[in-house]
Amino acid sequence: AQTVTQSQPEMSVQEAETVTLSCTYDTSESDYYLFWYKQPPSRQMILVIRQEAYKQQNATENRFSVNFQKAAKSFSLKISDSQLGDAAMYFCAYRSAYVGFNKFYFGSGTKLNVKP
Amino acid sequence: DAGVTQSPTHLIKTRGQQVTLRCSPISGHKSVSWYQQVLGQGPQFIFQYYEKEERGRGNFPDRFSARQFPNYSSELNVNALLLGDSALYLCASSLAGQGNYEQYFGPGTRLTVT
Repeated sequence: AQTVTQSQPEMSVQEAETVTLSCTYDTSESDYYLFWYKQPPSRQMILVIRQEAYKQQNATENRFSVNFQKAAKSFSLKISDSQLGDAAMYFCAYRSAYVGFNKFYFGSGTKLNVKP
Repeated sequence: DAGVTQSPTHLIKTRGQQVTLRCSPISGHKSVSWYQQVLGQGPQFIFQYYEKEERGRGNFPDRFSARQFPNYSSELNVNALLLGDSALYLCASSLAGQGNYEQYFGPGTRLTVT
């Protein structure tokens, strides 16, 4: 079974600075999707960014970008120009491209604090 | 358009009781998935339903069951509740049952078992 590991339970960043959240995963599959989700205190999970494993180019969404290292099975999230609204739990997730249903494997999450 | 909605928001039950949680997907979405999120952990996959059929099941006991209705809304039922069932139950909808479609999550139902 696939596993997703987030080794940083909690991180802090100063407003306007950059922070990187780490994620590693274990899989024997060659094709899959990776995601970063944000869960603010209000609880609703929001998709931040996603990456298809067959794409070599790292995904970017405004201030959010990923560093996808397929051989190392690493998928880190970089948040630039951090804002107070970025404070939340961040979950890394894996989804197989082969399984015929939407089963996501989530990591245990990283709590991001943003200091004014 | 309304997002994924779930009801109730909070629920308190006693051990041994049964509970039903409800989810309405985004209009046009035919797939609904259920996740259990225990405090301090990431969500764990319970079920996925697509076109009213179960398409996938996670490692949960038979006390957990679900169904999907013709309007694509879904119910999650948990029988013989245990203290360990206390968690946030998340529903997610997507356009289809597989493929590179984004999942949209609801706000969740917080279940407390005493």
